[in-house]
Amino acid sequence: DAEITQSPRHKITETGRQVTLACHQTWNHNNMFWYRQDLGHGLRLIHYSYGVHDTNKGEVSDGYSVSRSNTEDLPLTLESAASSQTSVYFCASSEPANTGELFFGEGSRLTVL
Amino acid sequence: AQKITQTQPGMFVQEKEAVTLDCTYDTSDQSYGLFWYKQPSSGEMIFLIYQGSYDEQNATEGRYSLNFQKARKSANLVISASQLGDSAMYFCAIHPGGYQKVTFGIGTKLQVIP
Repeated sequence: DAEITQSPRHKITETGRQVTLACHQTWNHNNMFWYRQDLGHGLRLIHYSYGVHDTNKGEVSDGYSVSRSNTEDLPLTLESAASSQTSVYFCASSEPANTGELFFGEGSRLTVL
Repeated sequence: AQKITQTQPGMFVQEKEAVTLDCTYDTSDQSYGLFWYKQPSSGEMIFLIYQGSYDEQNATEGRYSLNFQKARKSANLVISASQLGDSAMYFCAIHPGGYQKVTFGIGTKLQVIP
């Protein structure tokens, strides 16, 4: 079955460290997204991609970067982790030809100390 | 830009009763889609229902129905015959037609009481 997987599922890091969260999907979807979930804010879009070599900033992109070198993967990098980036991160994918339903990964809980 | 407003931070419903979760949206697009997702305490995001802006009939999926009132820009989720397993966070979301960047509301926490 097709799926979308995130790794690591849990990570604790220190302020200033670089962190990369992996996202891999086997749906062959063109669209991929990274969201962060915080209490009182719902899910907020960090970065998104509509295809290989395409990346776009979302509403909370400061301090994050992504790259899309193939259809399956959209890694999210925190260049210099800050305590404000402690959150649950969700990767998702969708296919433009369909309704746009997002298929989510299981989430990655990141704690920055 | 799209915006979703969910004004009910938390709600309680008796088991087997129906409940309505409110969602209003703002968009300048003529074509758009509306979604509801469920997030149980285990954390995964579960797709519940979809409504396209040009769909004339309200979407239904089992016990879930979307009360779509385009003129009022509302897309309320109705859950009939609530079950204990319905206790979860519920998110309303919108995307514009074409390329599909989805915007979420802040969610409503529903608790079903036995």
